[in-house]
Amino acid sequence: EVQLVESGGGLVQPGGSLRLSCAASGFTFSSYWMIWVRQAPGKGLEWVASIKQDGSEKYHVDSVKGRFTISRDNARNSLYLQMNSLRAEDTAVYYCARDPTWSPDYWGQGTLVTVSS
Amino acid sequence: DVVMTQSPLSLPVTLGQPASISCRSSQSLVYGDGNTYLNWFQQRPGQSPRRLIYKVSNRVSGVPDRFSGSGSGTDFTLKISRVEAEDVGVYYCMQSTHWPPAFGQGTKLEIK
Repeated sequence: EVQLVESGGGLVQPGGSLRLSCAASGFTFSSYWMIWVRQAPGKGLEWVASIKQDGSEKYHVDSVKGRFTISRDNARNSLYLQMNSLRAEDTAVYYCARDPTWSPDYWGQGTLVTVSS
Repeated sequence: DVVMTQSPLSLPVTLGQPASISCRSSQSLVYGDGNTYLNWFQQRPGQSPRRLIYKVSNRVSGVPDRFSGSGSGTDFTLKISRVEAEDVGVYYCMQSTHWPPAFGQGTKLEIK
């Protein structure tokens, strides 16, 4: 059974940093693109970042470019999102998802990031 | 960036009746390989999104056949032939033909 479990969310002050993790199991992690998608409270979904199977290609949306970095450790079956210079508008539930063909098929339960003083 | 526009944003439906959600993109979603990367997701209250349809009309395994997707180019539709109580939630279209992938605003389906 495919499982994705996010962790690392919490309350952080504006300008602070946080590192999200996503533990994957039930599939060959190193064979799939992986992504992060976020959802602000009561709002819609926003694609944040994508990473290729071997980590050689990474893409970030403009709103987080230069502040967030997606990475992965295939030996640990883990996906990460390093978030720096956090802003109030980054407050959201962050989901990791498996993305076989630009169509995310399995999603985690999400982890809440709250940016507030 | 491609903008995805859904309508309606709120959809009250009587149990057993059909429902239809429209999704329009600001650019054609036909990719160079000939495929159209338009997906539909369901998000039930308090849950993570669930993929229903990929590449316009391909139903995900385990998704009831009352769900169907259609369309081409810039105009797409998700139809539910007979709404059931478990269908309550928000439905999103999403394009992944162009970077960055983009979701529609979401359509909230509720039971009348």
